[in-house]
Amino acid sequence: GAVVSQHPSWVICKSGTSVKIECRSLDFQATTMFWYRQFPKQSLMLMATSNEGSKATYEQGVEKDKFLINHASLTLSTLTVTSAHPEDSSFYICSATGPGRYNEQFFGPGTRLTVL
Amino acid sequence: QQQVKQSPQSLIVQKGGISIINCAYENTAFDYFPWYQQFPGKGPALLIAIRPDVSEKKEGRFTISFNKSAKQFSLHIMDSQPGDSATYFCAASRVGNEKLTFGTGTRLTIIP
Repeated sequence: GAVVSQHPSWVICKSGTSVKIECRSLDFQATTMFWYRQFPKQSLMLMATSNEGSKATYEQGVEKDKFLINHASLTLSTLTVTSAHPEDSSFYICSATGPGRYNEQFFGPGTRLTVL
Repeated sequence: QQQVKQSPQSLIVQKGGISIINCAYENTAFDYFPWYQQFPGKGPALLIAIRPDVSEKKEGRFTISFNKSAKQFSLHIMDSQPGDSATYFCAASRVGNEKLTFGTGTRLTIIP
């Protein structure tokens, strides 16, 4: 149990375009989902926390207009990188937790974004 | 500032040996301490976790030791295998706040 999927697993886009990444909890209700960004050989950096049906809470320094997060259902959250630029190239990872999970976060496999 | 300090940054252990990774935290409100294993190009996977009501938790070859007074916890991997070669992250969170504070990671390499 506690499986989280992400789609796509990798994406290459041109500078200026927008990219949407999906995060799904496959076998539990994810009342809270988290989005992280990870640069090579570095730790995970939390970007935002989203609760189902409400606006995401962004960490300091993360542009909410650039990284749009939607958590419309108990199994799906999306991250849209708007007007992507090469500096947005990174590994994006989501995680999810839910009722009875006692702070346990279950991570997706990640999405590698490359902006040309 | 809530921080979790992790050491060492990298670790090389011979096959069959014991791998030990240490973490220290500052916030005494933390009450959940997980360890994650991450392979290159993959998301982190929950390995083992402990809460402060116990001083040790063992699952197979993996053991967490927890020292509440010293605000430290460590991961021990017994009989380390080449397949254990990965990056390990410790983390911490507290009741009422599900956000995880991560350590900086330890790159573990098991050599034959």
